[in-house]
Amino acid sequence: AQSVTQLDSQVPVFEEAPVELRCNYSSSVSVYLFWYVQYPNQGLQLLLKYLSGSTLVKGINGFEAEFNKSQTSFHLRKPSVHISDTAEYFCAVSERGTSYGKLTFGQGTILTVHP
Amino acid sequence: DVKVTQSSRYLVKRTGEKVFLECVQDMDHENMFWYRQDPGLGLRLIYFSYDVKMKEKGDIPEGYSVSREKKERFSLILESASTNQTSMYLCASSQRGGLSGANVLTFGAGSRLTVL
Repeated sequence: AQSVTQLDSQVPVFEEAPVELRCNYSSSVSVYLFWYVQYPNQGLQLLLKYLSGSTLVKGINGFEAEFNKSQTSFHLRKPSVHISDTAEYFCAVSERGTSYGKLTFGQGTILTVHP
Repeated sequence: DVKVTQSSRYLVKRTGEKVFLECVQDMDHENMFWYRQDPGLGLRLIYFSYDVKMKEKGDIPEGYSVSREKKERFSLILESASTNQTSMYLCASSQRGGLSGANVLTFGAGSRLTVL
């Protein structure tokens, strides 16, 4: 079984500042890693995913994440945030080799960007 | 453009009522999922289905059942609603195949259920 821990429940930041949302995972098997974003009153949409290869993954809206196998982390970063990035962000994992692709999610991090 | 439709955005039900939450996807996906979202707990998997008439329990199946009679439709059923089932319910779907476990989930907008 796997688990995901998002280390910050809320992250307030000013517009144009950099931000990092932290995610650690634990699993007894190899995993794929995902970040999803949920804007107010909407479902979740994919930001980025790590499947294999380069440990630095780039996603939509200028976000990127780095997979660190030794620290079992997959932190999300953006060098300069906008008001429109205000949303809840979820880190998730799925087991490799599972055709169903069911995800285990973290608790979520609410990012609030202030003007 | 869409993809995963949840029939009710907001529902208010009374304790003991039977509740049906419906989800339809138009992407011909094999896998469908029901998650529950609660503040501070993230999303927790209730049930999933990998084929018509097939279902598997997720992490929190107690108090819920599901039905998948057609490929595009996956229903979540609360046999006797209780106040602790007040929550946001999210349906999702994904393809099978390719890199196993790597397929992206497409989510519906959610159904917010209040049980009084």
